[in-house]
Amino acid sequence: EPEVTQTPSHQVTQMGQEVILRCVPISNHLYFYWYRQILGQKVEFLVSFYNNEISEKSEIFDDQFSVERPDGSNFTLKIRSTKLEDSAMYFCASKGPAGIINEQFFGPGTRLTVL
Amino acid sequence: DQQVKQNSPSLSVQEGRISILNCDYTNSMFDYFLWYKKYPAEGPTFLISISSIKDKNEDGRFTVFLNKSAKHLSLHIVPSQPGDSAVYFCAASATGGSQGNLIFGKGTKLSVKP
Repeated sequence: EPEVTQTPSHQVTQMGQEVILRCVPISNHLYFYWYRQILGQKVEFLVSFYNNEISEKSEIFDDQFSVERPDGSNFTLKIRSTKLEDSAMYFCASKGPAGIINEQFFGPGTRLTVL
Repeated sequence: DQQVKQNSPSLSVQEGRISILNCDYTNSMFDYFLWYKKYPAEGPTFLISISSIKDKNEDGRFTVFLNKSAKHLSLHIVPSQPGDSAVYFCAASATGGSQGNLIFGKGTKLSVKP
């Protein structure tokens, strides 16, 4: 069964460093998302991406964040200068063809720890 | 600003009995609702969804009920099994004109005791 994959599973970084979180969405999906979950809190929407551009973003997704689909398979989230409060689980998700209301499939997540 | 609320942080049920997880929402623009199940250190796994044009959707042991006038939905699991023990998230989206970004509740931790 097709699934969303994410690498790395755990990333430890120093405050102020740049990190890139990687995702491979399900191959025929067209919509891509990043969410995050701070420990003990709810899953929060960060950004959605469709047709090679950001379609929506939340207040959390400030200038320190960027997303990219560098090739036909990968979808990345970059945090330019990490802060302690960026420590969280980051989930990538993807959704199927346009015009169909359907569920988002989530990857297993990347645990980001900022020291 | 909690647009999706799950007021019960935990629920304990005996194996074989019914589990009922509840969810309330405030945004009347939401028209698509989903339930996800999450184990520790894993991503959310889709369980079942319902569109606002329906009031019930059933899939095996899982049934979701939607009461639009009360802005309330519930997930029924019957019979409950120990493997159902996980955190259950209610999520909602306003699909018209957007990409269906999901707004999640805080989750309810279900424990099914043998």
